[in-house]
Formats: sequence, C-alpha cells, structure tokens
Amino acid sequence: KQEVTQIPAALSVPEGENLVLNCSFTDSAIYNLQWFRQDPGKGLTSLLLIQSSQREQTSGRLNASLDKSSGRSTLYIAASQPGDSATYLCAVKGETSGSRLTFGEGTQLTVNP
Amino acid sequence: DTEVTQTPKHLVMGMTNKKSLKCEQHMGHRAMYWYKQKAKKPPELMFVYSYEKLSINESVPSRFSPECPNSSLLNLHLHALQPEDSALYLCASSQDGPGWDEQYFGPGTRLTVT
Repeated sequence: KQEVTQIPAALSVPEGENLVLNCSFTDSAIYNLQWFRQDPGKGLTSLLLIQSSQREQTSGRLNASLDKSSGRSTLYIAASQPGDSATYLCAVKGETSGSRLTFGEGTQLTVNP
Repeated sequence: DTEVTQTPKHLVMGMTNKKSLKCEQHMGHRAMYWYKQKAKKPPELMFVYSYEKLSINESVPSRFSPECPNSSLLNLHLHALQPEDSALYLCASSQDGPGWDEQYFGPGTRLTVT
C-alpha cells in the first residue's frame, strides 16, 4: 500500500527566504506526483504536476523535482512571501491505484513579514 | 479555464434533512470525484465517476448518494447524516487519461450537521 510522508509538518520562515518542502513515497510505481496548495477552509489549488518520466517542473518561483527511484520529491519556493502562507500537500497517483491519489499529511507553511 | 465550481459554499442541516451538493466543470473532463476533508487532514476519496458511470465507491455509507447527470455535473445527495459527517466536501475533475492527468479541485462546501 502506498504511503506518502511530508516533512516537516510545519515550517515558519521570514519573508524572502528560499525554502524546501519534502515529500516521500513508498511505492515507486507511480504515474505522476502533484503538489497542491490549500488556504484555510478553501479548496486545493494545483501548483505543479510531474509525470513519472520527468525530473522537474517549474512555475514562477516554484520548482518541483522528482526522484522516482528513491521515492522522493521536493518543492522549492524561492524568495518566499507572506502570501505563500498555506498548507502544501503532495499526492501521488500509483500505477495500480486507478484514479486514486494518495495524499501526504501536508506541510503548514507560515511566512512572516 | 481550469475551474470547478461548487454550490452551496456553506450548508447547515439537521440529521433528518435531505440536501444536495452540486459540482460543475466545463473543461471537458470525463472523470469527476467527491472527497471529504476533516480539519488538518488530507482529503479522503469518496466516489469517482468515469464517463458518467460510478467507477469507485470507497465504502461510503448509503446516507451519501452520488449522481452524475451528465459529463459536466456531479451531485452528492445527503440524507440522515450524522454530526461526524460535518466536514469540507470537495469536488474534483480530471481528463481520466492514461494515468498522467492532473486533478483540479473546486472550492468546497463546508457542511455542518446539527
């Protein structure tokens, strides 16, 4: 059974700092990995999708990497801003899980002005 | 347009009420999903519709009844709910392609059962 772990559970940084969020998964037989952002009481916003054949994806100040063989992904946020404060979730779609996503517990990020 | 809409935003219902949650997407996606999310937890999958047919039911109690009237709409009918069913209910959609497609989520319906 696929398990997804996100470290750290919470992170507080000063504005302007570059930071890395980590996601690990136990079964490397995946189709893709998706990073989401969730603001309190809101829905999930898709940030980046990395296919299993890709190594990284970039969108603005965000860069996500994938090392499928070691079961790891990182989300790099450059020059963090208070507006980046949210919970970040990673989710994997396994090759044998049909349409199911397996989510990590999330990292709650606070960027202080 | 990568938008999934959900109505209502908030819903308060008694345990004897019948209500429905609605979800709509116009991205041409053929897979639609219902998730339940409790505070400080990740979403939990409830149902998946693929090409308007129910393909996954994650052993959800029968007081939750999904319906997919057409490829753009997804409903969740609620009846005789319990207070522990209070949660954020999220709808999502995707292309339902060969496994690599991206899921897009709606803003959710905050449900409170009294």
